[in-house]
Amino acid sequence: DSGVTQTPKHLITATGQRVTLRCSPRSGDLSVYWYQQSLDQGLQFLIQYYNGEERAKGNILERFSAQQFPDLHSELNLSSLELGDSALYFCASSANSRTGLVNEQFFGPGTRLTVL
Amino acid sequence: AQKVTQAQTEISVVEKEDVTLDCVYETRDTTYYLFWYKQPPSGELVFLIRRNSFDEQNEISGRYSWNFQKSTSSFNFTITASQVVDSAVYFCALSEGTGANNLFFGTGTRLTVIP
Repeated sequence: DSGVTQTPKHLITATGQRVTLRCSPRSGDLSVYWYQQSLDQGLQFLIQYYNGEERAKGNILERFSAQQFPDLHSELNLSSLELGDSALYFCASSANSRTGLVNEQFFGPGTRLTVL
Repeated sequence: AQKVTQAQTEISVVEKEDVTLDCVYETRDTTYYLFWYKQPPSGELVFLIRRNSFDEQNEISGRYSWNFQKSTSSFNFTITASQVVDSAVYFCALSEGTGANNLFFGTGTRLTVIP
């Protein structure tokens, strides 16, 4: 158990709909990352938040957005869903570094999204 | 631009054989970090190791060992005396020292250990 929790575990919805994926980082971690894993694109970084602020953006579509709340949990919102958005969405968190070193990321169990 | 290449898509070995998973990376940064993750059939991503670019010491953890060679931009992973529980997809990943700390993943190597 990594200590990172994600809900729901599975989500089935229709094209055009909007869904929200939720993530709680490990206790004390300020950084949250979202990744998408699909058969054709592999594992891709979407977005990072640090202590409530957006830190970095990757290959995130404009239809997708995220936020991190004061209690540090994060939500990934996916709207106007398309068949191609079907994927496994992972959240990860990492410890805060005072030395500037990059720490390992611990991943949640993922949310499997199926768009029909 | 950063890139991680795992040329081996699938590997099958018989239990108790040794197996090496290859990882070759590209980055312009002089400070970077390399990782290996395991994704068993259950789907979660399990952290195995992190290596900093300024630390070329190889590492051994039980049946697992890692060989980091900056001269060839490689970070290979060896499993000794493989077991059925080692069957999984293994990902090599890179994080650059400047800018964002996100991970760039390779395409993964699916390892099947046959009993």
